[in-house]
Amino acid sequence: GAVVSQHPSRVICKSGTSVKIECRSLDFQATTMFWYRQFPKQSLMLMATSNEGSKATYEQGVEKDKFLINHASLTLSTLTVTSAHPEDSSFYICSAISGTDTQYFGPGTRLTVL
Amino acid sequence: TQLLEQSPQFLSIQEGENLTVYCNSSSVFSSLQWYRQEPGEGPVLLVTVVTGGEVKKLKRLTFQFGDARKDSSLHITAAQPGDTGLYLCAGAGLATDSWGKLQFGAGTQVVVTP
Repeated sequence: GAVVSQHPSRVICKSGTSVKIECRSLDFQATTMFWYRQFPKQSLMLMATSNEGSKATYEQGVEKDKFLINHASLTLSTLTVTSAHPEDSSFYICSAISGTDTQYFGPGTRLTVL
Repeated sequence: TQLLEQSPQFLSIQEGENLTVYCNSSSVFSSLQWYRQEPGEGPVLLVTVVTGGEVKKLKRLTFQFGDARKDSSLHITAAQPGDTGLYLCAGAGLATDSWGKLQFGAGTQVVVTP
């Protein structure tokens, strides 16, 4: 149980375009989902907390207009990287909570901006 | 901000040896989770410890939560090449406005050579 999926697993885009990443909880309802980014050989950095039906809460230093988060249902949250630039290239990972404070992570999305 | 210090950052050992990874903080956590992450994948939950002094075993892995719930350790007995990966500890805070949010350690890269 507690499976989280992400789509796509890899995406390559041109600078200036927008990219949408989906995060789904497959076998449970997630009232809260989290979005992280991870640079090579580093730990996870929390970007934002996403609650179903409400606005996301962003961590300090994360631009909310650049990283748009929508949590329209209890099983789906999306992260849209708008006007992507090469410095946005990273590994983006989502996680979901199922009733407790244990987070279950998706497999991640590798974004490369050319 | 509750900071989690994880040590060592890197550990290279031979198959059959034992190893211990430490996770320390000056703050109290409601729970602490250990994850293992392999390259290009999301973190996979190994264990959640909740009670001070708790010890949990998962085959050759032993997890301990400090009595004061400020620190934790992961001990691997007779390590195997399949244990290679990035080990992350993550603590859940006590504050109600941070429910569900995790503070991650920097990670310990473990390499087990045959």
